[in-house]
Amino acid sequence: NAGVTQTPKFRVLKTGQSMTLLCAQDMNHEYMYWYRQDPGMGLRLIHYSVGEGTTAKGEVPDGYNVSRLKKQNFLLGLESAAPSQTSVYFCASSSAGAFTDTQYFGPGTRLTVL
Amino acid sequence: GQNIDQPTEMTATEGAIVQINCTYQTSGFNGLFWYQQHAGEAPTFLSYNVLDGLEEKGRFSSFLSRSKGYSYLLLKELQMKDSASYLCAVRGISGSARQLTFGSGTQLTVLP
Repeated sequence: NAGVTQTPKFRVLKTGQSMTLLCAQDMNHEYMYWYRQDPGMGLRLIHYSVGEGTTAKGEVPDGYNVSRLKKQNFLLGLESAAPSQTSVYFCASSSAGAFTDTQYFGPGTRLTVL
Repeated sequence: GQNIDQPTEMTATEGAIVQINCTYQTSGFNGLFWYQQHAGEAPTFLSYNVLDGLEEKGRFSSFLSRSKGYSYLLLKELQMKDSASYLCAVRGISGSARQLTFGSGTQLTVLP
């Protein structure tokens, strides 16, 4: 039982390049989330999904796209990377049926855009 | 919207007790979470409060007052490994997912 995994762990991009971050969970959770974490600003929600085939915008969605083709996977895409997207990206998942609905986080992806 | 405030940094001594405060303003409230995050690692769940009062879990306790928009995390018998950032997060009632809004975190340093 690996929990929530993210690939890659590190990535360096040049401005204008594109990439996809992959999040996978093996807990059969319905909800999945993508956050970014910047110094002094806490975790901010980018996009989320309440189930396979569904996505919705969070607090800071501009410049990102997501897809949830399979229940266990949630992909975050950057079509044209910008230096402002340099950040640590965390994926999380939670169960719709759990009372506390605790979110479980992946280890993070450190992205630098030059 | 939601606004969450917590101190940026705190320092305490090994073996002591420390209280980390969190105040929030929200248009809808459906629970408050505390997470611990060690440097370079993912946040991990510590506690959850949805009703007023104190929840105790080993060395850690969390308190909530909904009328005051206030919570605190109490850490007893501090250990060096407790040096970490502590994140307060509030769950709202809008939207179809139970979204969390996080504070900026309190960096706790435990000194020997």
